[in-house]
Amino acid sequence: NAGVMQNPRHLVRRRGQEARLRCSPMKGHSHVYWYRQLPEEGLKFMVYLQKENIIDESGMPKERFSAEFPKEGPSILRIQQVVRGDSAAYFCASSPAGTALGYTFGSGTRLTVV
Amino acid sequence: DAKTTQPTSMDCAEGRAANLPCNHSTISGNEYVYWYRQIHSQGPQYIIHGLKNNETNEMASLIITEDRKSSTLILPHATLRDTAVYYCIVRGSGNTGKLIFGQGTTLQVKP
Repeated sequence: NAGVMQNPRHLVRRRGQEARLRCSPMKGHSHVYWYRQLPEEGLKFMVYLQKENIIDESGMPKERFSAEFPKEGPSILRIQQVVRGDSAAYFCASSPAGTALGYTFGSGTRLTVV
Repeated sequence: DAKTTQPTSMDCAEGRAANLPCNHSTISGNEYVYWYRQIHSQGPQYIIHGLKNNETNEMASLIITEDRKSSTLILPHATLRDTAVYYCIVRGSGNTGKLIFGQGTTLQVKP
């Protein structure tokens, strides 16, 4: 019973490139959440998705960031035209329903922009 | 969701019990108390949760005061691997959506 799978674990991008982070939720989980953790800071909520729907994107930066959770396949967090300030750890969590019960995190993707 | 207050940091000697407090004075009747921890650079890990009764699992115990305005997470025999940031989060059972993480308590277990 695999947990929440995130890939890649480490991603290096040059300024101006695109970064695509993938998250496969736990089996049976249909709710996905993305968080960002800047160096030496706490976890900040970014976006909450169900299959084919964005439920809450109140934490997403207004530009360059987008997220999707298609009917088939993993959830994708996409960052266009990356800048050095996007360097952070990006964590994905999933839950079976939209409540806190069963909320499980992945190991994260560490994005470094050079 | 009710706001929580935790000390910024705590130390504990290896092998001793670590008691991490959390205040949630505005908690309402249907809100649970959840504890997570984040060991350096890893994804947050669920520890335990409770509503009003004390709870125990293989990782920890959760003691909730009778008025539910505060709680204590107890790691009975702390090890160096328990060094982490511990987050106390209050969440309604019917609430949907994100968990909001505060600053948490940085627990340093020392040899």
